[in-house]
Amino acid sequence: EIVLTQSPGTLSLSPGERATLSCRASQSVSSSYLAWYQQNPGQAPRLLIYATSTRATGIPDRFSGSGSGTDFTLTISRLEPEDFAVYFCQQFGNSPWTFGQGTKVEIK
Amino acid sequence: QLQLQESGPGLVKPSETLSLTCTVSGGSISSSNYYWGWIRQPPGKGLEWIGSISYSGSTYYNPSLKSRVTISVDTSKNQFSLKLSSVIAADTALYYCARPLREWLLKDAFDIWGQGTMVTVSS
Repeated sequence: EIVLTQSPGTLSLSPGERATLSCRASQSVSSSYLAWYQQNPGQAPRLLIYATSTRATGIPDRFSGSGSGTDFTLTISRLEPEDFAVYFCQQFGNSPWTFGQGTKVEIK
Repeated sequence: QLQLQESGPGLVKPSETLSLTCTVSGGSISSSNYYWGWIRQPPGKGLEWIGSISYSGSTYYNPSLKSRVTISVDTSKNQFSLKLSSVIAADTALYYCARPLREWLLKDAFDIWGQGTMVTVSS
């Protein structure tokens, strides 16, 4: 099973700042099979990025993804109030599909 | 617009079988070629993929749960279902049904999610 480790666990930032979230895999993941989700309290996850860097429909361009192999990054260029949430990475290249434990982006 | 809605008992006793249904509205399971999935999230924790089923009934399970999981599809009711047997307290979680982004792809990100249903395992 591929273990995804996200860091940091919590990121305390102010609106307008840049957020950089890391997702490290225990073994190589094809870039086609890496996604990022946003989850707000009491809501289902929302797909942000798939195939490492492709934004899902309706996702603002302040969200970007990058990486390869075992290291992947989600960047939010300028935090908006609605961006303070929990973010998960997911790999679906090797069964079982697995998720990271999440990074919480909170208001500083 | 496609929507998914989970339903089922909110409380299940230890050693019994958890049964949930996901009703698909705004689209037909039988006239599309998607794989339909179940994911769960224990309180305050991360997400765990339980398994997926194709429109034709082929199933793919998380090996950690495979011995206890059955996922089925009922195209006549436009539903797919999850059964998890011999439940324990650790199975307490918010259970989501979800659909991937693209047709034909088992290996795909989940694009459409239900709102989730909380299941507690307790006597």
